[in-house]
Amino acid sequence: GAVVSQHPSRVICKSGTSVKIECRSLDFQATTMFWYRQFPKQSLMLMATSNEGSKATYEQGVEKDKFLINHASLTLSTLTVTSAHPEDSSFYICSASTGTRVETQYFGPGTRLLVL
Amino acid sequence: AQTVTQSQPEMSVQEAETVTLSCTYDTSESDYYLFWYKQPPSRQMILVIRQEAYKQQNATENRFSVNFQKAAKSFSLKISDSQLGDAAMYFCAPPVGRKRFGAGTRLTVKP
Repeated sequence: GAVVSQHPSRVICKSGTSVKIECRSLDFQATTMFWYRQFPKQSLMLMATSNEGSKATYEQGVEKDKFLINHASLTLSTLTVTSAHPEDSSFYICSASTGTRVETQYFGPGTRLLVL
Repeated sequence: AQTVTQSQPEMSVQEAETVTLSCTYDTSESDYYLFWYKQPPSRQMILVIRQEAYKQQNATENRFSVNFQKAAKSFSLKISDSQLGDAAMYFCAPPVGRKRFGAGTRLTVKP
């Protein structure tokens, strides 16, 4: 149990275009989903927290107009990178949980984004 | 702040031997959980083990066990009978909230 999928696994796009990444909890209802960014050989950096049916909470320094997050249902959250630029190239990971504080997070397999 | 510190950037172990990865944390909360995650080359984060802070007994999952020292705020991961498939980055997760994972420890397993 506790499987989280993420799609696409990798995407290459041109500078200026938008890219949508989907995160789904397949066998449980995730009241909360988290989006992370991971640079090479570094730890995870939390970008935002999303709760089903409400606006996402962004971490300091993360542009909410740049990284649009939607959590439309208890099993789906999406991250849209708008007007992507080469510096947005990174590995993006989502996780799903039944809570925001102490509950176990289950991670998706990640999406590698390359912006040309 | 809910922070964790992993002081070992890299560790190496011989196959079939035992290795311990260290993690210290900081929290003012009384109710929390502690987690170790593994990130193999595929980059999929995999839950290794979970410890509930109110439990004095150390958690165990097959070859993986923890040494939880609540007063010292220490949460180390012991891997027994190391296998080649254990080679990965290991991250200690923050006790409360989701913000600051540890920097990670890269484990190499030598055949």
